[in-house]
Amino acid sequence: RKEVEQDPGPFNVPEGATVAFNCTYSNSASQSFFWYRQDCRKEPKLLMSVYSSGNEDGRFTAQLNRASQYISLLIRDSKLSDSATYLCVVNGGMTTDSWGKLQFGAGTQVVVTP
Amino acid sequence: DVKVTQSSRYLVKRTGEKVFLECVQDMDHENMFWYRQDPGLGLRLIYFSYDVKMKEKGDIPEGYSVSREKKERFSLILESASTNQTSMYLCASSLVPLGGGAYNEQFFGPGTRLTVL
Repeated sequence: RKEVEQDPGPFNVPEGATVAFNCTYSNSASQSFFWYRQDCRKEPKLLMSVYSSGNEDGRFTAQLNRASQYISLLIRDSKLSDSATYLCVVNGGMTTDSWGKLQFGAGTQVVVTP
Repeated sequence: DVKVTQSSRYLVKRTGEKVFLECVQDMDHENMFWYRQDPGLGLRLIYFSYDVKMKEKGDIPEGYSVSREKKERFSLILESASTNQTSMYLCASSLVPLGGGAYNEQFFGPGTRLTVL
């Protein structure tokens, strides 16, 4: 079983619509959670961290559900420029040999159409 | 602006060749990482280093080695390339977090697409 699982998509979204997707993680000791964005043929870049209380960054809202071990990302008022693959990223917990390691999901592809 | 550079964007090698992938970061980051990215599998950690001359195995170190002689440079070595090492290789760097033990944002290089024939 993969440590971080995501629906690969693609999620085809009309411009201006809302899209949401989740990822699940298996390590209950994980402490830090993130969404990275990766454009086609580019490197991943941090989109936002995910906090227990949920957090927003403009049109993006991230939620964490520790009990069910999933993280969600919601994009409101989708723009063409939001087309990308969104990577769910979880750290390995707080032990000294795991703090530096991150587990990446395989990504969810979002395609925003005019 | 943090900059992580990788020596090649595209590389084609033959089975059995020794391959060096170089990564340089200009932000004085302590931590450096090598990943490979394959469709459907996501990024998988090969090796990482939290200090000069220090290295730690990641999840898939077999067939790879690394070298960190200077803080800014982290090299990935394929001693004898094989076709199953055809992949996109991504280098990343990050600061050591204050207080230790917690994560800091990783900054990625543009990647090297390696093809082994």
